[in-house]
Amino acid sequence: DAKTTQPNSMESNEEEPVHLPCNHSTISGTDYIHWYRQLPSQGPEYVIHGLTSNVNNRMASLAIAEDRKSSTLILHRATLRDAAVYYCILRVLSGNTPLVFGKGTRLSVIA
Amino acid sequence: GAVVSQHPSRVICKSGTSVKIECRSLDFQATTMFWYRQFPKQSLMLMATSNEGSKATYEQGVEKDKFLINHASLTLSTLTVTSAHPEDSSFYICSARDLVGRAQYFGPGTRLLVL
Repeated sequence: DAKTTQPNSMESNEEEPVHLPCNHSTISGTDYIHWYRQLPSQGPEYVIHGLTSNVNNRMASLAIAEDRKSSTLILHRATLRDAAVYYCILRVLSGNTPLVFGKGTRLSVIA
Repeated sequence: GAVVSQHPSRVICKSGTSVKIECRSLDFQATTMFWYRQFPKQSLMLMATSNEGSKATYEQGVEKDKFLINHASLTLSTLTVTSAHPEDSSFYICSARDLVGRAQYFGPGTRLLVL
């Protein structure tokens, strides 16, 4: 899988929007951009994924750069329950290739 | 959504004993399951990939004789840590992929403490 680069940590105020960046300059044409998050002492949780177009779901939005070399996960209103480590991962959509986790971004939310 | 369960959620054992961790896909069939390990303040590290009915594929540096993986059915995989030692203490997380192979779902993790 191609490598991703994320900031080690970010901080947000509660009820403010949060933009979590991810760089993936070596992304290939078949790589999907996946975002997972891990709350303390839990397994990872799926957040969103996309290929080229921006994506929205009930949890977040994913903005993908036109050249696909970077993307941004957007949490529209951060809550204390959003405090977690967020992982940006590249993977082809089908097949047996596992998700390979980098270090992710630790998001702290301040009340 | 799809659910993956793990049992036990927490286990404490003496050094030298073996520990079995079960991973089940509750509402879908999983041809492929993955086992990860996570040490404190570190990311998840893939240990092995198992396909139903065949031998697991281990990542480099993971001892297959120490970490026995069995994937006997489409809904159950087990990881047995044999002759556990304190350095095996970690958070073990399983993950399952559905038959279509698109989504990967994670279990809640098992915290192992070896005394």
